[in-house]
Formats: sequence, C-alpha cells, structure tokens
Amino acid sequence: QLQLQESGPGLVKPSETLSLTCTVSGGSITSGYYWAWIRQPPGKGLEWIGEIYHSGSAYYSPYLTSRVTISVDMSKNQFSLKLRSVTAADTAVYYCHRRTVNSSFRDYWGRGTLVTVSS
Amino acid sequence: QSALTQPRSVSGSPGQSVTISCTGTSSDVGGYNYVSWYQQHPGKVPKLIIYDVTKRPSGVPDRFSGSKSGNTASLTISGLQADDDGDYYCCSYAGNPWVFGGGTKVTVL
Repeated sequence: QLQLQESGPGLVKPSETLSLTCTVSGGSITSGYYWAWIRQPPGKGLEWIGEIYHSGSAYYSPYLTSRVTISVDMSKNQFSLKLRSVTAADTAVYYCHRRTVNSSFRDYWGRGTLVTVSS
Repeated sequence: QSALTQPRSVSGSPGQSVTISCTGTSSDVGGYNYVSWYQQHPGKVPKLIIYDVTKRPSGVPDRFSGSKSGNTASLTISGLQADDDGDYYCCSYAGNPWVFGGGTKVTVL
C-alpha cells in the first residue's frame, strides 16, 4: 500500500523559505506518475501549487511560479517543495499526493501538514 | 476568487438528490475531459470521488456521478445520506495549471 508523508517546519518567518518534503513508501517514485502539492489556507478552498515527474519535468501555478520549486530525490524516494519569500497568505495545510499521467486521477495523499507563517 | 465557479451551498433531505455545478471556460472545463471532484470533511484529507468527468475510483458508491456540458461540469449525489454532509470541490486541467472551484457546502437536512 503506497503511503505519502509530509514533513517540515510548522512555523516559518515572513520573507523566509518554506521547505517541505514528501516521503513515498510502499512504491517507487520512479513509477511513472506525477508527484504534486496542493495547499488549503485555514477555512478556505484548495489551491494547486505544482507537480513534478520523476524525470524532473516540473509544472507550477502561474501565481506562484516565481517563488516555488519542486524537486525529486530518487535515492530517498522523496519529493520536495520550496516556497520562497513567504507571507501570512502562505499559511495553509500543504498536501502532497500522486497523480496519474493523462488523467485527473489523484489517488494517494499525505495527511497534510499545517505551515504557519508568522514572526 | 476561484477560477471555477461553484454554488456556495446546496442542501437536501436524506434520500433526495442534489446537483453541484462547476462553471469554467473553454480553456479549462470545456477544453479538457480532466474534471475531478473531491469530498472533504472537516479536518480531513480531500477524497477523490469523480475523475476524468465521469469515472469513479474504486470504493466510491455509484450514488455519486459526474457529467459535463460545455463549460459546466456537474456532480450529482443521489440517495443523499448523512455522511454526504461536507465540502465538495471541483478541479479541472487548464493547460497547466490545474484550477479549483471555491467549494460547495452540502448540508443533509
């Protein structure tokens, strides 16, 4: 059974970089899927951040593209999110998940991790 | 403001049917058959209930069905049950990025 688990600091200061890692267990990150991040501010809706294929091809939300980087570490079976120059508006629950290629099928999700941006 | 437009709330009695609309444009909902729907209960991870407009993941009851006409996708919940109470979000491919609706609160009366 595939499992995804987010990890990283729960508190980040304004203007700093938010860094999260999603560890994939029970399957290989090179198995031909997209590995993605979505976030949800408290009390608000879902927002797509971006996704990456194991080959390294990454796609980002145009609203975040100047600040975001998603990368893959195949040796650790992990993928990561970095969001630079954060503000309070980046406070959210961040979810990692898997998406099937050529489909909107997002089957396996992490539990989500709350990241608060505050000084 | 969300890219896709959903009603803020819908409600129905147990056993009834409700339909949630998700309106976009020809650049997202109307342009691709990559519409999905998620159910979310408070404090929980979003659960995929419909993908690729009409397909149901394994384990999702056939009370949930999806459709699309032009730039509007719809989710219908038939035989409403108490556990269907929650928030529902639509999502569509938009030529990269993926865009979401603002969410609909379903209340089972």
